[in-house]
Amino acid sequence: DQQVKQNSPSLSVQEGRISILNCDYTNSMFDYFLWYKKYPAEGPTFLISISSIKDKNEDGRFTVFLNKSAKHLSLHIVPSQPGDSAVYFCAASANSGNTPLVFGKGTRLSVIA
Amino acid sequence: DTGVSQDPRHKITKRGQNVTFRCDPISEHNRLYWYRQTLGQGPEFLTYFQNEAQLEKSRLLSDRFSAERPKGSFSTLEIQRTEQGDSAMYLCASGKLAGGPRDIYQETQYFGPGTRLLVL
Repeated sequence: DQQVKQNSPSLSVQEGRISILNCDYTNSMFDYFLWYKKYPAEGPTFLISISSIKDKNEDGRFTVFLNKSAKHLSLHIVPSQPGDSAVYFCAASANSGNTPLVFGKGTRLSVIA
Repeated sequence: DTGVSQDPRHKITKRGQNVTFRCDPISEHNRLYWYRQTLGQGPEFLTYFQNEAQLEKSRLLSDRFSAERPKGSFSTLEIQRTEQGDSAMYLCASGKLAGGPRDIYQETQYFGPGTRLLVL
């Protein structure tokens, strides 16, 4: 039973355009959400997080939106750059991040120059 | 460099052998996590420590797996009698509790580069 789902295995976007990566979750106890970026043969790198008491968090080119009623979050990257090409993982945790993370399967983003 | 480090980065072993991996967390982090990632999947939780206490173990962690964090600093993960199904990337993360909105403290986990295990 997958509690965190990333239904798009891959996404291609042109350089300079917006990338939108989506994530759905089923466990209503999740209250802290994170996005990680992963290059091949490296560990995941933390990008941005959001608490369930907020609906938006922004950090430079990265914005995460949370829709609690729909149990849905999305990561927006604007403008997309070729260096953003990687696998992006959505992760969720309960108790404000004080429990182990539950990850989705990832979305491979390709930014085409 | 103050990031999470893991050693070795790669390990090839024969089925039935024992292997041990090491993780050095970020120094001020008191929580340390082990995850496993296989092809096409996200990282899956194995176990975690708060200081030297092992607080939770996943059902993925069979009896052949054991983890320690003897002095609350580095951690080791040992796999005994390895099987081909143990082939995976083993990831270590350490946790930093930080103040969030409305004084809710939240933990962000930072990952090491991983140890890729291949069991022949």
